[in-house]
Amino acid sequence: EPEVTQTPSHQVTQMGQEVILRCVPISNHLYFYWYRQILGQKVEFLVSFYNNEISEKSEIFDDQFSVERPDGSNFTLKIRSTKLEDSAMYFCASNRVGAGGTDTQYFGPGTRLTVL
Amino acid sequence: KQEVTQIPAALSVPEGENLVLNCSFTDSAIYNLQWFRQDPGKGLTSLLLIQSSQREQTSGRLNASLDKSSGRSTLYIAASQPGDSATYLCAVEGGSEKLVFGKGTKLTVNP
Repeated sequence: EPEVTQTPSHQVTQMGQEVILRCVPISNHLYFYWYRQILGQKVEFLVSFYNNEISEKSEIFDDQFSVERPDGSNFTLKIRSTKLEDSAMYFCASNRVGAGGTDTQYFGPGTRLTVL
Repeated sequence: KQEVTQIPAALSVPEGENLVLNCSFTDSAIYNLQWFRQDPGKGLTSLLLIQSSQREQTSGRLNASLDKSSGRSTLYIAASQPGDSATYLCAVEGGSEKLVFGKGTKLTVNP
């Protein structure tokens, strides 16, 4: 069964460093998402992406964050200058149909980001 | 702003018991409501999706209901098993592509 994959599974970085989290969505999906979950907190929406553009972003997704689909398979989240409060589990998700569809979002296993 | 609340926060039951998890949301203008399962340190696995026009969905031992007008959903798990131990998340999609999640109910099923 097709699945969303994410690399790395765990990333440790120093405050102020740039990190890139990578995701490979399911191949026939058109809509891509990033969510994060701070330890013990709710899963929070960061950004959605369709047709090579951001379609929606949350207030968390400030100028330090960017997303890109550099080729036909990868979807990346870049944090330019990491802060301690960026430490969280980051989940990538994808689906075939966007808002209002009958299709669930399929989540990857997550990347645990630890900022020291 | 949509808010999703789940009660209880944690639940411990003996194997074989039937149980109900609750989810409430503040804005009834939703496209669908979804239940996910999250195992420790792992991703989210979709269990059931109920469209706004539906009242319930069933998958095996799981049954989810939706009362959109009152802003409530329940997840019923029949004949619980130790393998059902996980955190169960409720999420709503409404007006945009994003899912708004509750904090989850951590379920422990004791053998």
